[in-house]
Amino acid sequence: AQSVAQPEDQVNVAEGNPLTVKCTYSVSGNPYLFWYVQYPNRGLQFLLKYITGDNLVKGSYGFEAEFNKSQTSFHLKKPSALVSDSALYFCAVRDSGAGSYQLTFGKGTKLSVIP
Amino acid sequence: GAGVSQSPSNKVTEKGKDVELRCDPISGHTALYWYRQSLGQGLEFLIYFQGNSAPDKSGLPSDRFSAERTGGSVSTLTIQRTQQEDSAVYLCASSFAGTSGSNEQFFGPGTRLTVL
Repeated sequence: AQSVAQPEDQVNVAEGNPLTVKCTYSVSGNPYLFWYVQYPNRGLQFLLKYITGDNLVKGSYGFEAEFNKSQTSFHLKKPSALVSDSALYFCAVRDSGAGSYQLTFGKGTKLSVIP
Repeated sequence: GAGVSQSPSNKVTEKGKDVELRCDPISGHTALYWYRQSLGQGLEFLIYFQGNSAPDKSGLPSDRFSAERTGGSVSTLTIQRTQQEDSAVYLCASSFAGTSGSNEQFFGPGTRLTVL
């Protein structure tokens, strides 16, 4: 079985400060990991993914995430937060060895960037 | 190019009625997914279609839920005898399937279903 946890329901950060949104996962095999962002009344937008290779993955809008196999984590980061980054962020995982292409999503973390 | 589109954007229905939700995936995407997003919950996988293969229906919560995909493109999610607990946002996504399942999914804006 595959699962993902986002331990923080909400993260508040001041504009210009670095931000981190946490994600941990559990899979039997190797993970495929994804981050998505959801703005109000919109669908999810893809930010970045880790499949293999470099542990530091760079994505859209200046976001990056670091894959840490020993800690089974894939935290989302950005060096300097913008007010426009305020949104709901979802981490998702798929076990690369699983027969289904089903993604399992976390419950989401609401990010609020305070001006 | 056009993204994933869903219709209607909002649907209000009475308990016990049937509803149909439509999804138009991105042209060329062979994989199509349905999810349900309830308030305070993450995305709940419902069903997955890939080309002409048998769909993965493992996420459908009850036999009142069904989905089909005609011609490998448009998909319809049908909920029969709707219940109040079916109220949620229903999201559709599509992707290139590839052979590894590592491709990202592109999501539509969702259909907000309210069952009175």
